[in-house]
Amino acid sequence: ELQLVESGGALVQPGGSLRLSCTASGFTFSSFSMNWVRQAPGKGLEWISYVGYVGTTRYYYAGSVSGRFTISRDNAKDSLYLQMHSLRVEDTAVYYCVRDLHYGFDVWGQGTTVIVSS
Amino acid sequence: QSALTQPASVSGSPGQSITISCTGTSRDIGAYNHVSWYQQHPGKVPKLLIYEVSERPSGVSYRFSGSKSGYTASLTISGLQALDEADYFCCAYAGGSDYWVFGGGTKLTVL
Repeated sequence: ELQLVESGGALVQPGGSLRLSCTASGFTFSSFSMNWVRQAPGKGLEWISYVGYVGTTRYYYAGSVSGRFTISRDNAKDSLYLQMHSLRVEDTAVYYCVRDLHYGFDVWGQGTTVIVSS
Repeated sequence: QSALTQPASVSGSPGQSITISCTGTSRDIGAYNHVSWYQQHPGKVPKLLIYEVSERPSGVSYRFSGSKSGYTASLTISGLQALDEADYFCCAYAGGSDYWVFGGGTKLTVL
């Protein structure tokens, strides 16, 4: 079964940092590009970051998180990460780890919740 | 404000067909055939319905179809069923600095 499991979400103060993790199973993780997509409470979906599959060095970020967030992957551990710094109230959202399929997002994790509040 | 424009809501009766539009620009929908559609039931994880404008992943009902003309992509649901009541989001690859952009979502009500 294709599965992505996120962890690391928490309540953090504005200006704080957090690291999200995502563990994949059921497919060859290194062969797929991966993304983080978030959804603020009651709002729509927002793509925030992409990392290419093994052998590529492509890293993309949405303007809203560029310079603050860093995506990375460890193919030996079948894991994807999102390091978040300088968190803002508007970063409050459910963060989904998502697999890329021909520029679409075909496998989604259950999401991990990040709340930025004082 | 979302990069792609979708109607806030659409409705239809069981058995009918409905179409949800998604309007972008020359930088996204008009530039690439990388348009995808997602269904999200309340409290659930989004599900991929369509990718590359009109391709259906394995396991997605034939009742869902996608198309594109110019800067507008469309999702058509035929033979509407009660279980189709959900939020639907379009997404397009935009390259450059935006990469992937989503629509604001359309709430489908089955009457």
